[in-house]
Amino acid sequence: DGGITQSPKYLFRKEGQNVTLSCEQNLNHDAMYWYRQDPGQGLRLIYYSQIVNDFQKGDIAEGYSVSREKKESFPLTVTSAQKNPTAFYLCASSSGQGGNQPQHFGDGTRLSIL
Amino acid sequence: DAKTTQPTSMDCAEGRAANLPCNHSTISGNEYVYWYRQIHSQGPQYIIHGLKNNETNEMASLIITEDRKSSTLILPHATLRDTAVYYCIVRVAAGGYQKVTFGTGTKLQVIP
Repeated sequence: DGGITQSPKYLFRKEGQNVTLSCEQNLNHDAMYWYRQDPGQGLRLIYYSQIVNDFQKGDIAEGYSVSREKKESFPLTVTSAQKNPTAFYLCASSSGQGGNQPQHFGDGTRLSIL
Repeated sequence: DAKTTQPTSMDCAEGRAANLPCNHSTISGNEYVYWYRQIHSQGPQYIIHGLKNNETNEMASLIITEDRKSSTLILPHATLRDTAVYYCIVRVAAGGYQKVTFGTGTKLQVIP
């Protein structure tokens, strides 16, 4: 079935360590997004990519980095510069950018600090 | 994007229709109404969206009032697996990328 796969489901980071969250989609979507969700809060956009080899910062990009070398993949790296990385990270994709194109989400990666 | 208002929580008996209301009185003519739901510890699931006309798919029906100031999501035969937080949002039809922003949503509890 077509969908978005995020891995791992749970991830633990040590202080000063970079970690990379995987996001793969087989929906042939051009646009991909990374969000962060904190307990009891809504979604906050970290980065988005409209096309391969192009990506833009969202509202809270500091301490994060991304790449978009392939259409189906949009990995997120949480760097040691991100001082409060504990959160639920969600990857999404859509076939286009307009309001008539729903974003579809993966099942998330929960990141915790050791 | 226009603001939406939803009840904090609702209960529904299993097998009955669940009707979830959403108020979006400041919606613009080029804004779509979207519904998502999120089951605890899972990613949000897209349900349905519409502009003016009522919409139906395999999951639910969306009824939008003629003045577009409110809408209702209908789950025709609620099951225990429909217990989740349901989010109603509005999104502009055009203008480049748009992030998805959830409010507090409605926590639907389906009761056996």
